[in-house]
Amino acid sequence: SQKIEQNSEALNIQEGKTATLTCNYTNYSPAYLQWYRQDPGRGPVFLLLIRENEKEKRKERLKVTFDTTLKQSLFHITASQPADSATYLCALGSGNTPLVFGKGTRLSVIA
Amino acid sequence: DAGVIQSPRHEVTEMGQEVTLRCKPISGHNSLFWYRQTMMRGLELLIYFNNNVPIDDSGMPEDRFSAKMPNASFSTLKIQPSEPRDSAVYFCASSSGGEVTEAFFGQGTRLTVV
Repeated sequence: SQKIEQNSEALNIQEGKTATLTCNYTNYSPAYLQWYRQDPGRGPVFLLLIRENEKEKRKERLKVTFDTTLKQSLFHITASQPADSATYLCALGSGNTPLVFGKGTRLSVIA
Repeated sequence: DAGVIQSPRHEVTEMGQEVTLRCKPISGHNSLFWYRQTMMRGLELLIYFNNNVPIDDSGMPEDRFSAKMPNASFSTLKIQPSEPRDSAVYFCASSSGGEVTEAFFGQGTRLTVV
């Protein structure tokens, strides 16, 4: 069955450093991958999408890579700030099928 | 648009009672999804609709769960009878459909069954 793993449940990082979150998957060939941010008591909010034929995508301080050979995506937040503290979810999609989500990584940026 | 609207935000009910969760998707979106989130299992898809028609309900845990979408602007998820293991946060999401689209989530309904 499809399996999505996000590297760790929680990640603590010093303000100003780059946070790197990992999403690995097995038994799946996604056409695209999305990253979402979820704050406590709220629903996930879309951040970035990367397609299978793209290696890298950037948006402001965010960068996503997608390696279909390794079956892995990396999500980077550069110059991290306390306001970046949240849970980050990766989601895989293909065609018209619904997104399949990982459990998320809880990021804490410490001032 | 106000986004995806879910009600109630919180629901506490006794085991055996019927629970109905409500969702209003974003106007113009033709796909609607019901997810359940727990610490143990993360976000799990329960059912999704396309143009008001249920497409895949294989994620619905048991016959106690049912979902309807009588029109493009309203959907319900019903649990009858409810059990303590149904306690979770239930999210509704909508998207505009197509090959590659993002999902827009509501604020969720936190259900506690005691």
